[in-house]
Amino acid sequence: DTAVSQTPKYLVTQMGNDKSIKCEQNLGHDTMYWYKQDSKKFLKIMFSYNNKELIINETVPNRFSPKSPDKAHLNLHINSLELGDSAVYFCASSQVAGDNGETQYFGPGTRLLVL
Amino acid sequence: GDSVTQMEGPVTLSEEAFLTINCTYTATGYPSLFWYVQYPGEGLQLLLKATKADDKGSNKGFEATYRKETTSFHLEKGSVQVSDSAVYFCALNPGGSYIPTFGRGTSLIVHP
Repeated sequence: DTAVSQTPKYLVTQMGNDKSIKCEQNLGHDTMYWYKQDSKKFLKIMFSYNNKELIINETVPNRFSPKSPDKAHLNLHINSLELGDSAVYFCASSQVAGDNGETQYFGPGTRLLVL
Repeated sequence: GDSVTQMEGPVTLSEEAFLTINCTYTATGYPSLFWYVQYPGEGLQLLLKATKADDKGSNKGFEATYRKETTSFHLEKGSVQVSDSAVYFCALNPGGSYIPTFGRGTSLIVHP
């Protein structure tokens, strides 16, 4: 069974469109994250939710809006896509936010290409 | 703020060579330290971790020791294989805060 899954795996779209990426974890974890990885592999945290509550909201354009319908799901909606949004987006989960020993479990990534 | 600095890659080695990837950090408090590995086309996965000073994390022949005096967590392996080719990320998870910090990643290429 996949621990952290994301859909879609690939997303090719035009500038100006709106798109969503979905994430689900079956590990029973309390905390979920979205990361953006650029072409140089730099990983930047975007958001984190703990038990459906937003706890991390880094400097991200407000075109990006996360939503957590329950603690097993964290979706990312992106409005008015721009060329610079092209990247790989990773979802991750961990057991307890703020517990500094906790491992993060990553999904396989969503490769977004904006044309 | 917290930061993690890794040596720039790519690191290119022949099979069975010794590997060191340097990682140093700055953080307030007492963070836990991690190495994650990302194989091509995949997400990151935990390689090893250490939660307090002088702890040694180890897995699959890789080791790293949490050195508080030098604020370092260098990754080592005695004999690399082609299958170790991947990008390696050093990371810290600070005490009392929610924001994990990742290094920029070091690409390792191992030739037969």
